Amino acid sequence: QKEVEQDPGPLSVPEGAIVSLNCTYSNSAFQYFMWYRQYSRKGPELLMYTYSSGNKEDGRFTAQVDKSSKYISLFIRDSQPSDSATYLCAMTGMKTSYDKVIFGPGTSLSVIP
Amino acid sequence: DAMVIQNPRYQVTQFGKPVTLSCSQTLNHNVMYWYQQKSSQAPKLLFHYYDKDFNNEADTPDNFQSRRPNTSFCFLDIRSPGLGDAAMYLCATSREQGVTEQFFGPGTRLTVL
Repeated sequence: QKEVEQDPGPLSVPEGAIVSLNCTYSNSAFQYFMWYRQYSRKGPELLMYTYSSGNKEDGRFTAQVDKSSKYISLFIRDSQPSDSATYLCAMTGMKTSYDKVIFGPGTSLSVIP
Repeated sequence: DAMVIQNPRYQVTQFGKPVTLSCSQTLNHNVMYWYQQKSSQAPKLLFHYYDKDFNNEADTPDNFQSRRPNTSFCFLDIRSPGLGDAAMYLCATSREQGVTEQFFGPGTRLTVL
């Protein structure tokens, strides 16, 4: 079993739709959960991060973590064509010591105008 | 703008011919990372530098080496590229170890003929 699993898609939605992107993981030591966005031919850029369980909202984006289920989600409201990209979840352990970041393989999202 | 720069963006080499990929950063970050990302796969950490301290991942092949001559620059050397080394190579930086945000360069796409 891989440490972090993510449905690769591709996911295609009409403009304005609500998008749900998900990851599951196996390592209960993970404490910090991140979502990176990667546009074609670019490096990933950090969208959001959350610590432990709970929700975090930033504009049209909401990150949700359920540690009991080892499941994290990213919701995009009112999706825009500019949201078309690959979304990678990432996670790591304690912030105070070095733990490498483990990435998921990414979900490719296309928002159709 | 502060950024992470990778050169070249595209590199073609022959089987077995050594190649060097370059990364520079203007963020003055202490940590620099090299990731390998194959199509539709998660970025895989090869190694990282914390200042001058080199940290190799256990499963990184000996074929891959790295140099960090100063804070700003880091190089990835592939001594004898094989067909399986064709991938996107991503350089990233972070201010310190154990922090959640990494800043990525645009990547170098390596083709091995």
